[in-house]
Amino acid sequence: GESVGLHLPTLSVQEGDNSIINCAYSNSASDYFIWYKQESGKGPQFIIDIRSNMDKRQGQRVTVLLNKTVKHLSLQIAATQPGDSAVYFCAEPDSGGYQKVTFGIGTKLQVIP
Amino acid sequence: DVKVTQSSRYLVKRTGEKVFLECVQDMDHENMFWYRQDPGLGLRLIYFSYDVKMKEKGDIPEGYSVSREKKERFSLILESASTNQTSMYLCASSLLRGHRRSFQPQHFGDGTRLSIL
Repeated sequence: GESVGLHLPTLSVQEGDNSIINCAYSNSASDYFIWYKQESGKGPQFIIDIRSNMDKRQGQRVTVLLNKTVKHLSLQIAATQPGDSAVYFCAEPDSGGYQKVTFGIGTKLQVIP
Repeated sequence: DVKVTQSSRYLVKRTGEKVFLECVQDMDHENMFWYRQDPGLGLRLIYFSYDVKMKEKGDIPEGYSVSREKKERFSLILESASTNQTSMYLCASSLLRGHRRSFQPQHFGDGTRLSIL
């Protein structure tokens, strides 16, 4: 079936640098995407979402970019901090409805002090 | 903020036991979900519920059942625990919207790490 995936399983970034986490999706009909952050020992935490009628959405230090042409989205974290160390998941609604979601495997972000 | 509370952070049970995992949410969400999370496999949906007393199978329902007697509470039951059910279990909830275009994100609890010996 359709799935959501990630290019890089682990990303190491120097503190203060910007981080970019990528995600490819295969369902061209997907119209909504979500990014989650999961810190060690905790459940996934909603960060930001974007709908397909947008190319870019900004939050606090985070920006999500959506390229529907190549079915790719990215999460950019500005001035990465040690507290950003976590696993990041992208997700999209499942075509089956009922608000089900398909999650990617995740990318581990390691911030080097 | 949405609060999803799972009753136990860590649980150790024996093979063959009947195990109950409890989840409560305080935001009047219609949807509730149970996932398990395993290294390299990501989050996999076990069961979900979109209303009281309603339940739907997810991707890996075998060996599990659920109960939703009240809107705020969703229980996962391992009928006869086996070692391959050792995992991190995550509960989530979300608002119900009738159309996909008004999809609402899921909010998660902090998980129950279950070990079956």
